[in-house]
Amino acid sequence: EPEVTQTPSHQVTQMGQEVILRCVPISNHLYFYWYRQILGQKVEFLVSFYNNEISEKSEIFDDQFSVERPDGSNFTLKIRSTKLEDSAMYFCASQTGTTPFGTDTQYFGPGTRLTVL
Amino acid sequence: SQQGEEDPQALSIQEGENATMNCSYKTSINNLQWYRQNSGRGLVHLILIRSNEREKHSGRLRVTLDTSKKSSSLLITASRAADTASYFCATVLSGGSYIPTFGRGTSLIVHP
Repeated sequence: EPEVTQTPSHQVTQMGQEVILRCVPISNHLYFYWYRQILGQKVEFLVSFYNNEISEKSEIFDDQFSVERPDGSNFTLKIRSTKLEDSAMYFCASQTGTTPFGTDTQYFGPGTRLTVL
Repeated sequence: SQQGEEDPQALSIQEGENATMNCSYKTSINNLQWYRQNSGRGLVHLILIRSNEREKHSGRLRVTLDTSKKSSSLLITASRAADTASYFCATVLSGGSYIPTFGRGTSLIVHP
């Protein structure tokens, strides 16, 4: 069964460094998402991406964050200058269909644990 | 209460028993989804229920939605140890924005 994959599974970085989290969505999916979950807290929506542009973004997704689909298969989340409070699990998700969250099933990847020291 | 808030926070039952989790929200929704998350893993979509639907089933899962009370419930019948996980509801508000809001979740433990 197709699945969303994410790399790395765990990323440790120093505060102020740039990190890129990578995701490979399911191949025929059209909508892509990033979420984060700080340890013990709610899952929080960051951004949705469709047709090579951002569809929706939350207040968390400020200028330090960017997303890209560089080659038609990967979907990346870049954090330009990491802060301690960026430490969290980051989940990528994808869905088929052309309408956003809620209309079609989202498939989540296993997540990348980001630790900022 | 916050948008998409589950209760109870924790639930501990014996295998074979039913488990009921509730989700309350504050403002009108387009739809509501239930997810499961095993410890340290990604979310798994369980059921989506639209605002004009009242009940949906999927295997041992039954979801109800009462828009007048702004609440939803997830019932797992004949629970198994493998059902042990956290269960979250996520709401998408009506009115155009598709930004979902997740609750804090219910931690379910099913004892064999």
